[in-house]
Parts: sequence; C-alpha cells; structure tokens
Amino acid sequence: ETGVTQSPTHLIKTRGQQVTLRCSSQSGHNTVSWYQQALGQGPQFIFQYYREEENGRGNFPPRFSGLQFPNYSSELNVNALELDDSALYLCASTDVRGGRGNEQFFGPGTRLTVL
Amino acid sequence: AQSVTQLDSQVPVFEEAPVELRCNYSSSVSVYLFWYVQYPNQGLQLLLKYLSGSTLVKGINGFEAEFNKSQTSFHLRKPSVHISDTAEYFCAVGDNNAGNMLTFGGGTRLMVKP
Repeated sequence: ETGVTQSPTHLIKTRGQQVTLRCSSQSGHNTVSWYQQALGQGPQFIFQYYREEENGRGNFPPRFSGLQFPNYSSELNVNALELDDSALYLCASTDVRGGRGNEQFFGPGTRLTVL
Repeated sequence: AQSVTQLDSQVPVFEEAPVELRCNYSSSVSVYLFWYVQYPNQGLQLLLKYLSGSTLVKGINGFEAEFNKSQTSFHLRKPSVHISDTAEYFCAVGDNNAGNMLTFGGGTRLMVKP
C-alpha cells in the first residue's frame, strides 16, 4: 500500500506567477484535502475534493483552485502568487466510506517560496 | 465556527520525564479530536483520535489523551519521553457539519533534552 505522495518537494516562484502542486492519494482513498501551513503555524484548510468535485472550502480566495482526477490524484493551483503564499502545502487523503472522523493520511508536503 | 488553542508554543522536558501538551477547543456541535505529530521536513502523522465512547484514548508511541467535555480540553500525555519524541505536535478538531475538514491549533514544539 503506497502512501500519499506530493510533487515537487520544493518550489521557488516570483510574485504574480502561477503554480501547480500535485498529490497522489493513498490507494483506495476517494477524498483529498489541501492545507496550507505557514512557518511556525498549524495547517489551515484550503479545500476538499470528493468524486472530482469541491466538497468544502476554507477561507481562501478564488485564486486558489483545485482538481481531482478519476484516479484520485489531485492538483492545487494558485494564481497571481503573493509573498504570503510562501508555505508548506500539505495534501491529505481519506476514505469517507469509513465515516466522519476517519483518519486523514498526510503527504510530506511541498515547500513553496514566493520571492 | 471551531477553534483550537494550544496553550504552550514550546515545552522543554528532560528525557524520561512525564509531559503534558495542552489543547482546548471551542465548537457549537459534537466534535472529533485528533493529535498529530510532525517531524522535521515531514508531513503529519496521526498519534490518536477521539470519536466517541471512552474519554481516555491511547495512541501510538506511548501517548494518550483525555477528552474533557466540560472543560473543552483534549490534553496529550506521555509518562516518560524519549529524545526521539522531539517534534511539533498539533491538536485538531473536526465535526459532523464539516465533513473531514480539520481545524488545527498552532502547534507545540516538544523539546526533549538528555
């Protein structure tokens, strides 16, 4: 059983650019969530996808968008990057058929630096 | 809306000593509670979770936590820590209305000294 993987591990962009981060969910998981973890802070929920549709969203602007593919891999896209977007971006997958409160399995994250 | 407060940003402790990491939450509905650990340059690993039932929850690596509804707390404890427990610990809350969305606290850095 493979775990959650993310790519790339590190990324440097400049302000105003666009970025795409990728996540491959754990085998058999049908739900993926994305979190932003700024330095020295706890993760903040960005959004969640279930069956290729957005299933919940945190307090993030529309320039944060996502996709989930039939094989349950997903992408996080951020347009018009700002300096404050510099953070560790975590992907987490779960199988909602296990019920509410089912464990979310986190990937190692992508460290994004915006200059 | 939910919120999670981890009262200590850093907790230094000597090896083999007991430790308690504090977590308080606020929510208007029934909640699920989690503790995650994050080692440097890694993602989050689940230590333990409370969904319902017994308020004392045992997790991996000798950690346990007690859910106290009246005090809205979910403190994490370990009777004897090891150097390898040095990491960042996050308390998180979810609820029936939020699907699998988790609200995290700001984290507590546990520093175990020899």
